[in-house]
Amino acid sequence: EIVLTQSPGTLSLSPGERATLSCRASQSVGTNYLAWYQQKPGQPPRLLIYGTSSRATGIPDRFSGSGSGTDFTLTISRLEPADFAVYYCQQYGSFTITFGQGTRLEIK
Amino acid sequence: QVQLVESGGGVVQPGRSLRLSCVASAFTFSTYSMHWVRQAPGKGLEWVAIISHDGSQKYYVDSVKGRFTISRDNSKNTLYLQINSLRAEDTAMYFCARDRIVQWFGDAFDIWGHGTMVTVSS
Repeated sequence: EIVLTQSPGTLSLSPGERATLSCRASQSVGTNYLAWYQQKPGQPPRLLIYGTSSRATGIPDRFSGSGSGTDFTLTISRLEPADFAVYYCQQYGSFTITFGQGTRLEIK
Repeated sequence: QVQLVESGGGVVQPGRSLRLSCVASAFTFSTYSMHWVRQAPGKGLEWVAIISHDGSQKYYVDSVKGRFTISRDNSKNTLYLQINSLRAEDTAMYFCARDRIVQWFGDAFDIWGHGTMVTVSS
């Protein structure tokens, strides 16, 4: 099973700042099948990014994904109040799909 | 609108069984692979199982193999998760989710239900 490790565990930033979230895999993610989700309290996750860098429907271009192999990044260019949430990376390159443990993005 | 609605959760004693359901609407359910994902209170997401669009392929996370069974009834637009021999560590919100790509097997999850809570307690 591919283990995904997200860092930092918690990120404290202010609206308008840039957020950089990291996701490191224990082995190479096949065909860069790496996704990012946003989850707010009491809600299901929402797909932000799939295939490492493709934005899902309706996701603003403030959100961008990059990376390859074992190192992936989610960048939020200008934080808005609605962006403060928990973010999870997910690999779906193997039949055993795994998630990272999450990064909590909180208002500083 | 495209929607998934889970049901069947509740408070259950250890060792008992439960069947969760997920009803799909406003899309052609029979053409998508489907997943179950769970989230223990205050914890992260754990993928549980996947089933192909026609039910011919199924995979599970190791921790539930032999106790959980994923299935579907395309005539009823419904996904199921049979959970046997429930344990305290199965306590979680259970979400169903849809594969992003039609007739693919294992992609990102573009549609999620709101979940059904399973609590295992004596």
